[in-house]
Amino acid sequence: AQSVTQLGSHVSVSEGALVLLRCNYSSSVPPYLFWYVQYPNQGLQLLLKYTSAATLVKGINGFEAEFKKSETSFHLTKPSAHMSDAAEYFCAVSEYGGATNKLIFGTGTLLAVQP
Amino acid sequence: KAGVTQTPRYLIKTRGQQVTLSCSPISGHRSVSWYQQTPGQGLQFLFEYFSETQRNKGNFPGRFSGRQFSNSRSEMNVSTLELGDSALYLCASSGEGPGGYTFGSGTRLTVV
Repeated sequence: AQSVTQLGSHVSVSEGALVLLRCNYSSSVPPYLFWYVQYPNQGLQLLLKYTSAATLVKGINGFEAEFKKSETSFHLTKPSAHMSDAAEYFCAVSEYGGATNKLIFGTGTLLAVQP
Repeated sequence: KAGVTQTPRYLIKTRGQQVTLSCSPISGHRSVSWYQQTPGQGLQFLFEYFSETQRNKGNFPGRFSGRQFSNSRSEMNVSTLELGDSALYLCASSGEGPGGYTFGSGTRLTVV
């Protein structure tokens, strides 16, 4: 069965500092991986996705993630944090195989950005 | 291009009642999935519909059901509501292939 582990339920950075949110996955098949962001009282917005093309994936709002098969990781980074990045971030793996289309989420990381 | 629309945004119901939530997917998307989000359990998959057929179901009791119409709009129903059903219910629609998941803003259900 596939699963996702997000290390650190709360991460705090200073404005302008590097953002690093960690995600490790477990999958018996080549995974499809995603990062979503959720602002208070909102749904989930897709930041970026890995679907077996380039291992370095660039997303919206300056975020990127690198798929590392040897480490089973898909960490999310942003070189310089902005106050508007404060939100909850979810890593997810997709069980996709033609007969299903299901996302399995990690427990989320709440990012705080200090001025 | 219109996004995924969920109605209503907020609901307050009493224990024992039933509730129906609605989701209109992005035009052309045939897959609609439902997720429950709670502080304790996080984001959990409820079920997925594709071309009016339930393709996958999560580990939820039979009180949770859903359906999809020919225009791909979907509804989910929860009968005999319990306090623990209070949650944000999110709908996602997807096109062909992996990765096209677009979520709605959700319906916040409060059971009192």
